[in-house]
Amino acid sequence: NAGVTQTPKFQVLKTGQSMTLQCAQDMNHEYMSWYRQDPGMGLRLIHYSVGAGITDQGEVPNGYNVSRSTTEDFPLRLLSAAPSQTSVYFCASSYPTGGEGEQFFGPGTRLTVL
Amino acid sequence: GESVGLHLPTLSVQEGDNSIINCAYSNSASDYFIWYKQESGKGPQFIIDIRSNMDKRQGQRVTVLLNKTVKHLSLQIAATQPGDSAVYFCAETLNTGGFKTIFGAGTRLFVKA
Repeated sequence: NAGVTQTPKFQVLKTGQSMTLQCAQDMNHEYMSWYRQDPGMGLRLIHYSVGAGITDQGEVPNGYNVSRSTTEDFPLRLLSAAPSQTSVYFCASSYPTGGEGEQFFGPGTRLTVL
Repeated sequence: GESVGLHLPTLSVQEGDNSIINCAYSNSASDYFIWYKQESGKGPQFIIDIRSNMDKRQGQRVTVLLNKTVKHLSLQIAATQPGDSAVYFCAETLNTGGFKTIFGAGTRLFVKA
């Protein structure tokens, strides 16, 4: 199993550009989530999904959209990039949907918005 | 690899000593807690978890203690090794109509050989 994969590893955007961060898992996990991590801070939850077709907002959802059309994929879209969205983005998945159990994290995407 | 947590609290211990990392969580309704380890340039890695109806749980070389009265969580690492050097995060999960996992700010553990 590849686990949780994220693409790209690095990305530079200009203010106002849009892009999609890709996340995929091959463990048949129902629960998937997106976090951002800024220097000196822990991970902050952006959006999460408890299964295909179901998504919900986390702590910091503004400026981001998600969809979950399949169990495997959970893309994160930045609609109009801003410098405040410069961060490292992590995708995670877990089998239990009740918020319990080990979350498996991807390697992260480092995004810089100029 | 990239560096995260440049301004995190740091705990420095001698190799072979025991380490205690503390965490204050925010929500008394949280019912599940997890400790994660993050090495430079990598995503967090699960260490150990505990449910809110427990006050202690032991793993291999690690113990988590939960004190709900003061909303405090601790991670004890026995016989700390250089490979334990990393940033450690506590996280709490609460059900607010959906299940959200909220991370603490993290502590950097530095193990001196």
